[in-house]
Amino acid sequence: SSELTQDPAASVALGQTVRITCQGDSLRRYYASWYQQKPGQAPVLVLYDKNNRPSGIPDRFSGSSSGNTASLTITGTQAEDEADYYCKSRMVFGGGTKLTVL
Amino acid sequence: QVQLQQWGAGLLKPSETLSLTCGVYGGSFSYSYWSWIRQSPGKGLEWIGEINHSGSTTYSPPLTSRVTISVDTSKNQFSLKLTSVTAADTAVYYCARGQGFHNWLDPWGQGILVTVSS
Repeated sequence: SSELTQDPAASVALGQTVRITCQGDSLRRYYASWYQQKPGQAPVLVLYDKNNRPSGIPDRFSGSSSGNTASLTITGTQAEDEADYYCKSRMVFGGGTKLTVL
Repeated sequence: QVQLQQWGAGLLKPSETLSLTCGVYGGSFSYSYWSWIRQSPGKGLEWIGEINHSGSTTYSPPLTSRVTISVDTSKNQFSLKLTSVTAADTAVYYCARGQGFHNWLDPWGQGILVTVSS
């Protein structure tokens, strides 16, 4: 199957750690990339090749991968991290996770 | 630093052809895949297809019969055409640069809302 599955929603207290997961068979062969999207804005790449951050992305964003699951972890979550997060593997996006910062 | 800027018609009638162009500024047009993605209102991201500088394309299977992506290397532009549009094709359309074996997308264009309505 080429589908990627994400939980639709997640919440985290300000300053705490949250993990967002992405599951799919393609992740056994291909690394996920992760995108942050805030309302009315284009998505922004936050992680690629499992755990690489583009320039300008804070180091509180990290990634990991095992088997058919890729994870995005935000350590010390800030209010500005509230957004939708999408994983992508090859030609497929996950359904997205809406992160709420409490 | 590469920047992408998109343009094209934002309002179409059913059965018409969607046509969008993405200009690539500030970087090489080679050694990347140039992608189109869309997002229906309130929904998630949907990958449409991609092209490289030599014109090799890959399309999303559900859309392959209606999609054409082309490239004009002389202008550092690539384009999307989607035929026989319906209301279901109403979405914000983004262009993006694909990089690396695992094809991460960065940067993205600003997005264009295309509405299909009679």
